[in-house]
Amino acid sequence: DTAVSQTPKYLVTQMGNDKSIKCEQNLGHDTMYWYKQDSKKFLKIMFSYNNKELIINETVPNRFSPKSPDKAHLNLHINSLELGDSAVYFCASSQDSRSVAYFGPGTRLTVT
Amino acid sequence: AQTVTQSQPEMSVQEAETVTLSCTYDTSESDYYLFWYKQPPSRQMILVIRQEAYKQQNATENRFSVNFQKAAKSFSLKISDSQLGDAAMYFCARETSGSRLTFGEGTQLTVNP
Repeated sequence: DTAVSQTPKYLVTQMGNDKSIKCEQNLGHDTMYWYKQDSKKFLKIMFSYNNKELIINETVPNRFSPKSPDKAHLNLHINSLELGDSAVYFCASSQDSRSVAYFGPGTRLTVT
Repeated sequence: AQTVTQSQPEMSVQEAETVTLSCTYDTSESDYYLFWYKQPPSRQMILVIRQEAYKQQNATENRFSVNFQKAAKSFSLKISDSQLGDAAMYFCARETSGSRLTFGEGTQLTVNP
């Protein structure tokens, strides 16, 4: 059983398009995250949700909008994609802020 | 900004040998958690080991152990009896208040047969 799953794993799209990445966790965790890994492999948090409520928005452009329909899902919608959005996006979950974070397989987004 | 620093962009080790990856961090908190994650070419992020700052005893997981020096804000990872499957990018991370992980820049480990 996959603990944290993301779809799609690869996404290639043109500038200006709108796209979504879906994330689901079956661990019963209360907290979910989105992290971005850039071309230099640097990982940085984008958003954190606890029980469907946003608790961290780390100076991410408004074009990025997370949505948590329930505790097990945290989706990421990106409007008006730009070249600089090309990266690997990781979803993760943890029981609380101090527990181990379990990561999904990542979504490699390429904007052309 | 509270940071995590990995000063070794690349390291290499011979199979069966021991290697130590360095990590230093900045924090004003007294109670926090530290982690090492491994990212193989599959890009999956895999937890290697976790250390709770209030525990003086260094964490150990099979061939992986840490040297946690709280006063020096140092958290190095030692891999004993290195195996080919240990080849990966290793990230040090610190749990930050407000429910997030702050990562270092990563160390690319090569294991030579």
